[in-house]
Amino acid sequence: GDSVTQMEGPVTLSEEACLTINCTYTATGYPSLFWYVQYPGEGLQLLLKATKADDKGSNKGFEATYRKETTSFHLEKGSVQVSDSAVYFCALKSPRGYQKVTFGTGTKLQVIP
Amino acid sequence: DGGITQSPKYLFRKEGQNVTLSCEQNLNHDAMYWYRQDPGQGLRLIYYSQIVNDFQKGDIAEGYSVSREKKESFPLTVTSAQKNPTAFYLCASRRGGDPSYEQYFGPGTRLTVT
Repeated sequence: GDSVTQMEGPVTLSEEACLTINCTYTATGYPSLFWYVQYPGEGLQLLLKATKADDKGSNKGFEATYRKETTSFHLEKGSVQVSDSAVYFCALKSPRGYQKVTFGTGTKLQVIP
Repeated sequence: DGGITQSPKYLFRKEGQNVTLSCEQNLNHDAMYWYRQDPGQGLRLIYYSQIVNDFQKGDIAEGYSVSREKKESFPLTVTSAQKNPTAFYLCASRRGGDPSYEQYFGPGTRLTVT
């Protein structure tokens, strides 16, 4: 079945450091890929997405590229801020007919001043 | 504004009582979902529904029940059979069809059972 593997957290970075959160996936066909962010005590919000190979999703300085050859969708940001502290979830939606979305376990990011 | 509402934000119940969590969306989405999140953990799918009057069990459906009588509503009942009901519950919805459509999440309900 479909699966998403994220790097274990928590990740602690100083402000203005570079961020990479690894995400790899297993799926049948060509899934759509997503990164969601969850701030403390809140629901998840879509951060970015990519729907086909070599697509790059970007938003708020975050980027992720859909790599079919390595089945990866790593999240990157060149300079993190304290306000980026949150939990980040990688997810995929298979092109198959049913509606189930598969999530990774989440990676907690803490940015310190 | 379109979105998903969950109420209440915090809910307290005594052990042995059933409790129903509300989820309403005005996005005209076909699919709706319930997830459970425990402290420091990821999301676990409880139930999902693709269309009205239809729903499927997720990975941890035991001790929970749902209904989907209206497109905009997908209430979750946590029954007394659920062994560890204390958790953060998230509802989501999604436009049906194309896999590129993302999920929209509600703000969550934190249930505490003592």
